[in-house]
Amino acid sequence: KNEVEQSPQNLTAQEGEFITINCSYSVGISALHWLQQHPGGGIVSLFMLSSGKKKHGRLIATINIQEKHSSLHITASHPRDSAVYICAGYQNTGNQFYFGTGTSLTVIP
Amino acid sequence: KAGVTQTPRYLIKTRGQQVTLSCSPISGHRSVSWYQQTPGQGLQFLFEYFSETQRNKGNFPGRFSGRQFSNSRSEMNVSTLELGDSALYLCASSFGTSGANVLTFGAGSRLTVL
Repeated sequence: KNEVEQSPQNLTAQEGEFITINCSYSVGISALHWLQQHPGGGIVSLFMLSSGKKKHGRLIATINIQEKHSSLHITASHPRDSAVYICAGYQNTGNQFYFGTGTSLTVIP
Repeated sequence: KAGVTQTPRYLIKTRGQQVTLSCSPISGHRSVSWYQQTPGQGLQFLFEYFSETQRNKGNFPGRFSGRQFSNSRSEMNVSTLELGDSALYLCASSFGTSGANVLTFGAGSRLTVL
């Protein structure tokens, strides 16, 4: 069993739809990162959070430490949001990252 | 300001050879972390260097090593290459340690081992 689980693995949405990607983790972490990877490989860090909620444009990330769960929401989705979204938990005790397997999002015009 | 620069972008090696990859972080960033990405295993943490010291290492054999220079540039080395080492190797830099700070990734070095 992976320390970090993401769902869904694949997601197809119509342009304009509200999207939620979930991330659950089984290890104690001090921070959770959400990453975006477009075809071709480049990775962009979207959020780093250790509690509560962060918002950047149409993207919102939340984390519930007690429930060991984080969500990434995309409002008013757009085809340019099509990418793989990866969550990564950072464990302070071992200074170690644990990565989810990614959610492949396709937004259709 | 310049982003994170990785060189080379693409390289092909044969089994048994060794390879050195370079990562130049954003100016002022003291942490460089390295990751391996493969279709089968996804993203995996290799190691992190902060102020020239290795802070931690992921679950990789001793063939994978790295170092960081006084200007924060980092190199990683893989010796005795195996076919399974074919991957995209990414580095990321951050001002503070990687876990607690936003990461800026390089474009990656794609290694093919024949």
